[in-house]
Amino acid sequence: GAVVSQHPSWVICKSGTSVKIECRSLDFQATTMFWYRQFPKQSLMLMATSNEGSKATYEQGVEKDKFLINHASLTLSTLTVTSAHPEDSSFYICSARVRLAVSDTQYFGPGTRLTVL
Amino acid sequence: AQSVTQLDSQVPVFEEAPVELRCNYSSSVSVYLFWYVQYPNQGLQLLLKYLSGSTLVKGINGFEAEFNKSQTSFHLRKPSVHISDTAEYFCAVSEIGTASKLTFGTGTRLQVTL
Repeated sequence: GAVVSQHPSWVICKSGTSVKIECRSLDFQATTMFWYRQFPKQSLMLMATSNEGSKATYEQGVEKDKFLINHASLTLSTLTVTSAHPEDSSFYICSARVRLAVSDTQYFGPGTRLTVL
Repeated sequence: AQSVTQLDSQVPVFEEAPVELRCNYSSSVSVYLFWYVQYPNQGLQLLLKYLSGSTLVKGINGFEAEFNKSQTSFHLRKPSVHISDTAEYFCAVSEIGTASKLTFGTGTRLQVTL
């Protein structure tokens, strides 16, 4: 099946610093990737849709200047949390869309645990 | 807009017993339906999906789900669970034609014990 990786798997940073998370599709090309955020014991909330070669589409309530998304190639999307604060601590998960004959399916990465001190 | 309801936040079950995890959805248009499993500190793994055709869908690890359009449900079942099935299970829907944006339920914690 399709494999999606994320790097790093966990990161701890100081308040005010920026953190970059990478999402890669390892054995397929993904024109569309999605970024989700998951708080403890809660569901996934879609943050933004990342399209290769164009600007990301953010969901309502997500600050685009704080969560910078870049999808520079067909296998890589990055999420940069700028000027991180403790309330940004969360589990960030990306997914990549695979286009099939009948429908699309999302394959998820293993997630990145961000802790902001 | 669509929504997904997973009424059971936790389901405790003994090993080798059957289990059903409930999922109901709401949408004004046709949808695709998915079940994902999440093990601790990991991403989501696709268990199964309903796109069209037979309403009974078989997935990995012995799980199956049945789409019931009249009841807008997509319940997940397994006839005999194993300790390794302990995980968080998420039901999700995607409206056909919306570039695969998924809406997730709040998840059900399946706890299998001896």
